[in-house]
Amino acid sequence: GQNIDQPTEMTATEGAIVQINCTYQTSGFNGLFWYQQHAGEAPTFLSYNVLDGLEEKGRFSSFLSRSKGYSYLLLKELQMKDSASYLCASSGYSTLTFGKGTMLLVSP
Amino acid sequence: EAQVTQNPRYLITVTGKKLTVTCSQNMNHEYMSWYRQDPGLGLRQIYYSMNVEVTDKGDVPEGYKVSRKEKRNFPLILESPSPNQTSLYFCASSLSFRAGAYEQYFGPGTRLTVT
Repeated sequence: GQNIDQPTEMTATEGAIVQINCTYQTSGFNGLFWYQQHAGEAPTFLSYNVLDGLEEKGRFSSFLSRSKGYSYLLLKELQMKDSASYLCASSGYSTLTFGKGTMLLVSP
Repeated sequence: EAQVTQNPRYLITVTGKKLTVTCSQNMNHEYMSWYRQDPGLGLRQIYYSMNVEVTDKGDVPEGYKVSRKEKRNFPLILESPSPNQTSLYFCASSLSFRAGAYEQYFGPGTRLTVT
């Protein structure tokens, strides 16, 4: 499988902006997913990037650079409910490889 | 309601006692997959299925079996569970996996403890 790196933990304040970075190996790469997972729950889909550039969806945006093997998830106007783990996942020919997740803690 | 269901949600069992975790989806999805999630290791793929009767190993298949006799069902079988299979298991499905373009929908998870 592919090697995916993302920070283990991040903290931010309510109302702020936070950027979660993800790097991956580019061989056999098709696209990059971001999922959100609250404690004890299943992951839920946030975004998918296949082309270079920024995809915006409400408060969440995701960026991809295929040549650099780099992506980030940008969360704006942070809310307490955004406290969760954010999973970066690289899509290959037939499988999805997940990073270990970034635990984001939003404080008042 | 479109969903992926798993049963049981919680299971405590003993070493060597065969068990099956069921997974079913009602979205007519072609692709189904099993993952295990462990602290510090993240989600790791066990097996996946591109369509009926087509299954393949993921990153951590040892000690597991699967079958895909019908499109909607993808059970995970542990023939002889061991304590190192204690984990949180997720089943997931997606419309297809051509070019990996489709989001995966996850079941609620099965927390398995093997003593």
